Amino acid sequence: DTGVSQDPRHKITKRGQNVTFRCDPISEHNRLYWYRQTLGQGPEFLTYFQNEAQLEKSRLLSDRFSAERPKGSFSTLEIQRTEQGDSAMYLCASSRLGGQGRDEQFFGPGTRLTVL
Amino acid sequence: GEDVEQSLFLSVREGDSSVINCTYTDSSSTYLYWYKQEPGAGLQLLTYIFSNMDMKQDQRLTVLLNKKDKHLSLRIADTQTGDSAIYFCAERRGFGNEKLTFGTGTRLTIIP
Repeated sequence: DTGVSQDPRHKITKRGQNVTFRCDPISEHNRLYWYRQTLGQGPEFLTYFQNEAQLEKSRLLSDRFSAERPKGSFSTLEIQRTEQGDSAMYLCASSRLGGQGRDEQFFGPGTRLTVL
Repeated sequence: GEDVEQSLFLSVREGDSSVINCTYTDSSSTYLYWYKQEPGAGLQLLTYIFSNMDMKQDQRLTVLLNKKDKHLSLRIADTQTGDSAIYFCAERRGFGNEKLTFGTGTRLTIIP
């Protein structure tokens, strides 16, 4: 499978714990995005990377959230001191920087986080 | 997603055409997208249209864009049970602005 992959698919944690999610983009894609989707809503943008540089962060990304893409390939999203309001599906997407298909964002299956 | 609006539900008889509508507010939007989401799954890119186009057709899918009214629609011809899903429209606002802003989604139900 050469699509976007995410790990884990499901995470249940207790309030106050830290969690980390991983995203592996499509291999030739330079751009990587994180979105959050709550029940009954469309995805909301969190942040995006071009190679290893984090170029934009949403105001939704509080200081408890941090994202990294250290080598310009996979990315991690960490949430510290989780709260019940963090329960959501966290979606990763990737796209090319240029050339054919540069305007297409392809999504992974998501990581569903439940905070008890 | 509050700037991109969609009806929440649509029911269509199998074999009929489905038309899913979307309105957006930012006239500087460059690309408009349609994604499909099945239960428990991520989003599947169906099609997208550049803002200087009026129409795009791809097999059973037809996208119509009315830029003056900021209205986008997705027509699915010969709707099948496998088309049951939530459909999201999304806009990308301006070159160099890479994030997508999504609507709340339209749940399409197929009546046998």
